[in-house]
Amino acid sequence: NAGVMQNPRHLVRRRGQEARLRCSPMKGHSHVYWYRQLPEEGLKFMVYLQKENIIDESGMPKERFSAEFPKEGPSILRIQQVVRGDSAAYFCASSRTGTFLSGNTIYFGEGSWLTVV
Amino acid sequence: DQQVKQNSPSLSVQEGRISILNCDYTNSMFDYFLWYKKYPAEGPTFLISISSIKDKNEDGRFTVFLNKSAKHLSLHIVPSQPGDSAVYFCAARLRTSYDKVIFGPGTSLSVIP
Repeated sequence: NAGVMQNPRHLVRRRGQEARLRCSPMKGHSHVYWYRQLPEEGLKFMVYLQKENIIDESGMPKERFSAEFPKEGPSILRIQQVVRGDSAAYFCASSRTGTFLSGNTIYFGEGSWLTVV
Repeated sequence: DQQVKQNSPSLSVQEGRISILNCDYTNSMFDYFLWYKKYPAEGPTFLISISSIKDKNEDGRFTVFLNKSAKHLSLHIVPSQPGDSAVYFCAARLRTSYDKVIFGPGTSLSVIP
């Protein structure tokens, strides 16, 4: 987990507000993945980004969710008009090349826990 | 459509005994399999992996077995230790235009002292 920084670790939002989750990948990593873990469920792929590009967003809900990874700064996962069902742990992972030469080329952050009240 | 399945949500094992965590998959295009371990309130950490061209990979107390014809893999932990208590995720790689990793729902392992 060393090096992938996520913040905030815990976020509480009222229904209808916006949530912004940030992920700074490991140094030298230009590939970022976002996963969501709902209560009692596994890790669900959401989106894969490279610097300034969204490569695969097939796991993102069609509405209210967006992600970006700008040239400078962290990757942002943005959830607009949050609902109770958005309450989950959101994990960011990063890799150097996007190709898994071995399993330890993808590193996860410690997660951001979103609670919608 | 769950392509990676872990049918046991939880498992309890005595310390010193063997823990066997199972995983099944449906997509024959998966070419690489990984196991991740996760403690509460932490991110997943990589544990061990296996290529689809192999049937066994061993790393210390951890061994992963792959049966391609059955689309089944298992993680063996011998001997189990209390510190092994965690959620274990099986994951599979799908090579598209990039490496996409799909996770199973996880198995919660409790090692009883």
